[in-house]
Amino acid sequence: NAGVTQTPKFQVLKTGQSMTLQCAQDMNHNSMYWYRQDPGMGLRLIYYSASEGTTDKGEVPNGYNVSRLNKREFSLRLESAAPSQTSVYFCASMETSGADTQYFGPGTRLTVL
Amino acid sequence: GENVEQHPSTLSVQEGDSAVIKCTYSDSASNYFPWYKQELGKRPQLIIDIRSNVGEKKDQRIAVTLNKTAKHFSLHITETQPEDSAVYFCAASRGFQKLVFGTGTRLLVSP
Repeated sequence: NAGVTQTPKFQVLKTGQSMTLQCAQDMNHNSMYWYRQDPGMGLRLIYYSASEGTTDKGEVPNGYNVSRLNKREFSLRLESAAPSQTSVYFCASMETSGADTQYFGPGTRLTVL
Repeated sequence: GENVEQHPSTLSVQEGDSAVIKCTYSDSASNYFPWYKQELGKRPQLIIDIRSNVGEKKDQRIAVTLNKTAKHFSLHITETQPEDSAVYFCAASRGFQKLVFGTGTRLLVSP
């Protein structure tokens, strides 16, 4: 049982390049989340998916898109990367049957030059 | 929407002392309040949580208290150890909906 996995672990992009961050969970959770973590700002929600087939904006969605591919996978896409998107990105999942506990992936450290 | 404020941003204690981290929230409908610990370079991990129908919860050396009237909740760590050194985040949410996190407290426990 791997929990929540993310790929890649590190990535360096040039301004304007695109990329997709991958996330998968094997806990049969309904909800999945993407956060970014910046120094002094805690974890901020980018997008979330309450269930397969649905996605909603979080606090900081601009410049990102998401796809809930199936119940297991939730990807985050940067269409045209900007230096302001340099951050650590965490994916999380939650069961939503009353437990409310979010389980986080190991994170992706993204640098945009 | 919900807004969570967390204090202090840094906290230094001697081993064996107690540490208290405080958070306030704005949405009176929030009913779930978890605390996460994040060690350097690692993912956040849940250490304790509390729901709005209880005022206090303990788990060994850690405890969380909730004051719904004042809309604040606190994390208490007793008999601190060097391995408690980490960044701690509070969060709030309405049931199954999205968590709103505080900005974190860096706790340093000196031997």
